[in-house]
Amino acid sequence: QVQLVQSGAEVKKPGASVRVSCQASGYTFSSYDINWVRQATGQGPEWIGWMNPNSANTGHAQKFQGRVTMTRDASIRTAYMELTGLTSEDTAVYYCARVGAYCSGDCYAMDVWGQGTTVTVSS
Amino acid sequence: EIVLTQSPATLSLSPGERATLSCRASQSVNNYLAWYQQKPGQAPRLLIYDASNRATGIPARFSGSGSGTDFTLTISSLEPEDFAVYYCQQRSYRPPRLTFGGGTKVESK
Repeated sequence: QVQLVQSGAEVKKPGASVRVSCQASGYTFSSYDINWVRQATGQGPEWIGWMNPNSANTGHAQKFQGRVTMTRDASIRTAYMELTGLTSEDTAVYYCARVGAYCSGDCYAMDVWGQGTTVTVSS
Repeated sequence: EIVLTQSPATLSLSPGERATLSCRASQSVNNYLAWYQQKPGQAPRLLIYDASNRATGIPARFSGSGSGTDFTLTISSLEPEDFAVYYCQQRSYRPPRLTFGGGTKVESK
């Protein structure tokens, strides 16, 4: 079936970096954008950025400028999101999500989500 | 930057009742608005896209309406599994981003 499987939980010290992976299966990896979203405990989702697995083009929220890098390894159908300069404010569950199945005039709806990766930043 | 405001923050209802959730955008998003359901410990689940289209497999008791700046998600008759948090989401271009609303929690009365 169509699914995204993410890497396991991470605990990092302030100032460190974290890389989360997201492996796709059950569909053509290159045909759908991968978006990254995070959610702190008790808060709503927050969009981080997107990547087109075919072109490797990316975009991200201004808030993460200079700190986020999104890449992919198409040979293993896996997308990666790396966040540097971690602080306690980055403690959250990080999700990857697919966009592209429901596109009429625009593409923005996330129809398949990974299970989430908990990233804890603590000294 | 477009801001999505959801109301109410919490809705206390009983199974079988009708739920009406609101999402208001600070400027027009045409009809490019999605709704998601999220249960504790789970990822969000897409319910509605383009304001009124149900995603595959979503029961008919879920319906969306609205355009421009005012949108509504209606659950016609609440089932026990519908008690959850609901988020609206849209896409903007100046600056380019996806934005979520603050959520409405539908809880059992």
